[in-house]
Amino acid sequence: KAGVTQTPRYLIKTRGQQVTLSCSPISGHRSVSWYQQTPGQGLQFLFEYFSETQRNKGNFPGRFSGRQFSNSRSEMNVSTLELGDSALYLCASSLDGQRNTEAFFGQGTRLTVV
Amino acid sequence: AQSVTQLDSQVPVFEEAPVELRCNYSSSVSVYLFWYVQYPNQGLQLLLKYLSGSTLVKGINGFEAEFNKSQTSFHLRKPSVHISDTAEYFCAVIANTGGGNKLTFGTGTQLKVEL
Repeated sequence: KAGVTQTPRYLIKTRGQQVTLSCSPISGHRSVSWYQQTPGQGLQFLFEYFSETQRNKGNFPGRFSGRQFSNSRSEMNVSTLELGDSALYLCASSLDGQRNTEAFFGQGTRLTVV
Repeated sequence: AQSVTQLDSQVPVFEEAPVELRCNYSSSVSVYLFWYVQYPNQGLQLLLKYLSGSTLVKGINGFEAEFNKSQTSFHLRKPSVHISDTAEYFCAVIANTGGGNKLTFGTGTQLKVEL
């Protein structure tokens, strides 16, 4: 059974540009969450999608957005990139989005903004 | 809201020695508790979780953790570590009520196992 797949693995962008990251959850999983990991702030929750609906959102500016498709694949978009957006972006999927259900993480996309 | 404190940012230990990684949490509601491990350039892997029942939880790779409600702690232990245990370990909580499915993580503990 394939795990959570995030593409691309590495990305370099320039300040002011926008970027789209992709996450393919484990087959059958309907919940997808996104996290940002930086050395200074640690792991911070961005948002969660379940059945194409955003169910929960963290404290990030509106430049960070996401969506989920009918096949549960998810994308997140960051517009007007800032140097501080450089981070490892992790996606996690779970079967039914229940709090007691294990979340499986992808390997992440490392975004560098220059 | 929930918060997690991992008191030790780094823990060096010799191979085959025991180790304890500390985790304390704060929450106004009941929570589920998790420990994750992250190897370099990898995502997070679940080691173990506490949902309810027995306060001693056993996980993968010989790790175990004990939930202590009165001390709001969930320390991770291993009786004998191996070089391959070198990694970063994250404690996390999730409220078991309310909307959404959001993990709140601690700042992580880097475990370095030395020969």
